Order: sequence, then C-alpha cells, then structure tokens
Amino acid sequence: NAGVTQTPKFQVLKTGQSMTLQCAQDMNHEYMSWYRQDPGMGLRLIHYSVGAGITDQGEVPNGYNVSRSTTEDFPLRLLSAAPSQTSVYFCASSSTGGLYNEQFFGPGTRLTVL
Amino acid sequence: AQKVTQAQTEISVVEKEDVTLDCVYETRDTTYYLFWYKQPPSGELVFLIRRNSFDEQNEISGRYSWNFQKSTSSFNFTITASQVVDSAVYFCALSERGGATNKLIFGTGTLLAVQP
Repeated sequence: NAGVTQTPKFQVLKTGQSMTLQCAQDMNHEYMSWYRQDPGMGLRLIHYSVGAGITDQGEVPNGYNVSRSTTEDFPLRLLSAAPSQTSVYFCASSSTGGLYNEQFFGPGTRLTVL
Repeated sequence: AQKVTQAQTEISVVEKEDVTLDCVYETRDTTYYLFWYKQPPSGELVFLIRRNSFDEQNEISGRYSWNFQKSTSSFNFTITASQVVDSAVYFCALSERGGATNKLIFGTGTLLAVQP
C-alpha cells in the first residue's frame, strides 16, 4: 500500500495561474479531505468528500475547487492563484462508518505563489 | 463553536528534561475524539494518539504520556527525558462530529526544540 500520495511536492506559481494538486489513496477510503497549513494557524480544512460524487466545503474553501469522480482520487484545483494561497497543502483519507476513524495524511505539497 | 487552543507557541528544553505540551479544547459534543500529531522538520504528519471522550484514563507509551481531564477540557502531552529527535511541531486536534464526516479541528501547534 502506498497510502496517501500527493503530487507535486513543491510548486511555484505566478499570480493568476491555475493548477491542480493531486491526491490519491489506495486504501479504499470513502472520506478524503484537503487541509492547508500556515504558520501560526495550524491546519485548516478546505474541502472534504464523504464518497465519490459528494463534496462539501470546509473552513476556508474560497479560491479552491474539488471534485471526486473516483474513490481513489481527490484533486484540489486553484482557479486563479493568489499570494494568500502560499501554503503547505495536506490531503488526508479515512474510512467512514464508525464514530471516528483515523485519518491518514499525505506528505504534503508546498506551494508558493509569487 | 469547537476550538483547540495550544497556548505554548514554542518551548525549548535541554536534552533529558521532561516537557509538557498543553492542549485545551472546547466542544458542545458529548462524544468526541482528541488527537496528538507530530510534525518533524521533514514535514509529514505523524499520528501519536487518539482518545475518545469516554475514556479518561491516562496513557503511557514509552517516554510519552497523555493526561486527559474532561473537567478542565484538557488533553496534555508529556515527554519524559526528552531527546533531540523529539524536536518537532506538535499539534493537538479535536474531531468534529458532522454526521459521517471526520473533520478535524487543529490547534496552532507547539514548536518543541530539544537542545543537546
């Protein structure tokens, strides 16, 4: 099992550019989510999905789009990058059905927007 | 509203000292989970412990121990005889019971620096 994988590991964008951060998991987890980590802010939830075809907003969704066409993949799209989106992005997955199931985090993507 | 507070932004200790990282949480749920994650300089998030709201027993795992007190809404983490390899950012987190979701509310983290 590869667990949760994220690509790319590092990315530099110019303001206004668009890009997609990739996230995949091979554990057949229903629940997937995206967090961003900023200095002094901890991790904040951007979007999440409880299964293929179902997505919802988290705490800081503005400027980001997601879709979930398969169980395995949960890409995060930046439509028009802004310097405020400079951050480290983590994808996570877990199974559902219980009161709580442990979340597995990917290695992160460090994004810089100039 | 649910909230996790880690008041200690940075802690610096000398190797072999004991250190306690504080975590205070707020929630109206009667059932919830609390977590600690470690983020070493390499950047990945390492799961350390999960505790549910019905289990207030303290837990010890090697040099790590956790003290969960519902009366004070705290879930503190102690490292005994700290080592340089313990240097990392430590996050406390609270699960949010939004139906079937497993959303986590993170604290802002405590940077622990263990000096040799």
